[in-house]
Amino acid sequence: EAQVTQNPRYLITVTGKKLTVTCSQNMNHEYMSWYRQDPGLGLRQIYYSMNVEVTDKGDVPEGYKVSRKEKRNFPLILESPSPNQTSLYFCASSLWGPTDNEQYFGPGTRLTVT
Amino acid sequence: AQKVTQAQTEISVVEKEDVTLDCVYETRDTTYYLFWYKQPPSGELVFLIRRNSFDEQNEISGRYSWNFQKSTSSFNFTITASQVVDSAVYFCALSSNSGYSTLTFGKGTMLLVSP
Repeated sequence: EAQVTQNPRYLITVTGKKLTVTCSQNMNHEYMSWYRQDPGLGLRQIYYSMNVEVTDKGDVPEGYKVSRKEKRNFPLILESPSPNQTSLYFCASSLWGPTDNEQYFGPGTRLTVT
Repeated sequence: AQKVTQAQTEISVVEKEDVTLDCVYETRDTTYYLFWYKQPPSGELVFLIRRNSFDEQNEISGRYSWNFQKSTSSFNFTITASQVVDSAVYFCALSSNSGYSTLTFGKGTMLLVSP
């Protein structure tokens, strides 16, 4: 089954404790991206990767890092989480880019930073 | 820069009513793509439609229809004879030539359909 998986689905952590949210797709997609969703703000792009060689910032990259060592994986790293990073996070992938017919979204990761 | 505005934060209707969700976009590009996504209470994002800037034909899919008007930079979504299962947050999104690596979402419209 074609899918984007994220782990963990739920995470409660404390300020400053490094964490990684994994994202993996099994569709051989080149493009992957991370979004955060906050009430009243919609989805905002954090980082995206056009392929394993190109990664770039989205609209709200501060406090986040990403890595694209393999085509299928695109982990989101919070080196020192803060309460303002409490949010719902979505990973997405598509064949070439966001203009593709459809972005495939993961199920979401709900992160709480206390 | 590209921008998507969904001015309606929340809409409440009674089942079987028709409802239109508005989407206004801004982009300087002549080639761009517009999308609608649905997010039901379960939280996942469900793709509904993609439309490119060169195709102004309206689209109908069952009870759903979309009206694309370049003259007013709008891509509105209408649900005919709404049902309780249509209750969700609906997002309009835009990706354009110059910002081809990014997908910009509106803030979403929450639709509540009551029995």
